[in-house]
This record gives sequence, C-alpha cells and structure tokens, in this order.
Amino acid sequence: EAQVTQNPRYLITVTGKKLTVTCSQNMNHEYMSWYRQDPGLGLRQIYYSMNVEVTDKGDVPEGYKVSRKEKRNFPLILESPSPNQTSLYFCASSLEGPPGEKLFFGSGTQLSVL
Amino acid sequence: QKEVEQNSGPLSVPEGAIASLNCTYSDRGSQSFFWYRQYSGKSPELIMSIYSNGDKEDGRFTAQLNKASQYVSLLIRDSQPSDSATYLCAVNTYSSASKIIFGSGTRLSIRP
Repeated sequence: EAQVTQNPRYLITVTGKKLTVTCSQNMNHEYMSWYRQDPGLGLRQIYYSMNVEVTDKGDVPEGYKVSRKEKRNFPLILESPSPNQTSLYFCASSLEGPPGEKLFFGSGTQLSVL
Repeated sequence: QKEVEQNSGPLSVPEGAIASLNCTYSDRGSQSFFWYRQYSGKSPELIMSIYSNGDKEDGRFTAQLNKASQYVSLLIRDSQPSDSATYLCAVNTYSSASKIIFGSGTRLSIRP
C-alpha cells in the first residue's frame, strides 16, 4: 500500500531532551516536507526537500533540523525541544513537488514538550 | 495580511443543502490551488485541485477560481453528515515555486 509512515504517533517529552520523528514514504517521491499544525494557524511548513541531499527552510524552521540521506526517509530532529514546539506534526510527500502536485500526508505526530 | 485566508467557521449547513467554502489569497501570481479535507484527528487529504479560471466539477464537489479577484471557492452539493470536517485551502505561491501555503481552514458541520 502506498503510504507515508510517521513515528511515533504520540510523544511526550521534557524541555531540552533531543528527539527524532521519523518519516518514510514508499512511493519513490522526490519531494518531502514537514508541517506543524496549530489551532488557528493552519499548516505551516518547517522544512522541505526536493531530492536526496537537498533541503531548504520553510516558514518556521527555527529549532528544527532535517536530513535527506535516502530518498524514502526524511526525519525531523528537535535538538533541544521547548514547550512552544508542542504541536501536531505532519510529514508529506509528492512525486515531484509543487506547483501542481498532490501532497500525501502521514498520519501525524502529536508532540507535547513539558 | 495572511497569504491565504479562510473564515474559520464553524459553518453549519443542513443535510442536502449546498455548502459554500471560500478562500482568498494575496499573491497575484499564484499558479495552483487545492482543497484538502481534514477529519478531526486525521491527516489532510486532497479532494480538489484547480489551475485555471472557472469551475471544475468532481462528483458533488465544484471548485471555482477567479484569479482577477484572487478568490477560490469550494461548493459541496447535497451535503452529507460525512462531509463534516475542516476544509483547508492551499495555494502554490509564485514567489516560491517550491512552497504550498495553507489557510487555517474552515470547519464545516452538516446538521441532519
């Protein structure tokens, strides 16, 4: 089944404890992206990647890191999480990326930073 | 001004009626426009995309685009309780071809 897989689904952590949220797609998509979703603010892009070893900042990259060493994987790293990073996170992918591509979303990761 | 604006709702529509969802965008050079549906606790899924002025129909859904007015809308005919969800408008902005900007979404509730 074609899908974007995110793990974990829920994560509770404490301030400053490094964490990684994994994202993997099995559709051979070139484009992958991370979003965070907060009430009233919609989906905001954190980082995106047009291809292996190519990443770029989105609208809210501060406090996050990403890497794209393999085409299928695009992990999101929080080196020192803070409470303002408590949010719902989505990974998404598309075949070639914008402008006209459908985004496929993972099931989301609800992160709470205490 | 937000780049993509939607009324947050909730928009309450009786079952069987037409639901009309609206979205405005600020970048006049925007090229691609999308409507995603998001059920509570779930991830967004694409229901419509539109690229040129006019109407595009797919089943009970019709997307309408007016680039001169920088306005895109989604009509849902014969609304069903299963249409109750948040609808996200998304726009590919001309200023950054690799970015899609999402609106904050409109919550739609279909009442029986």
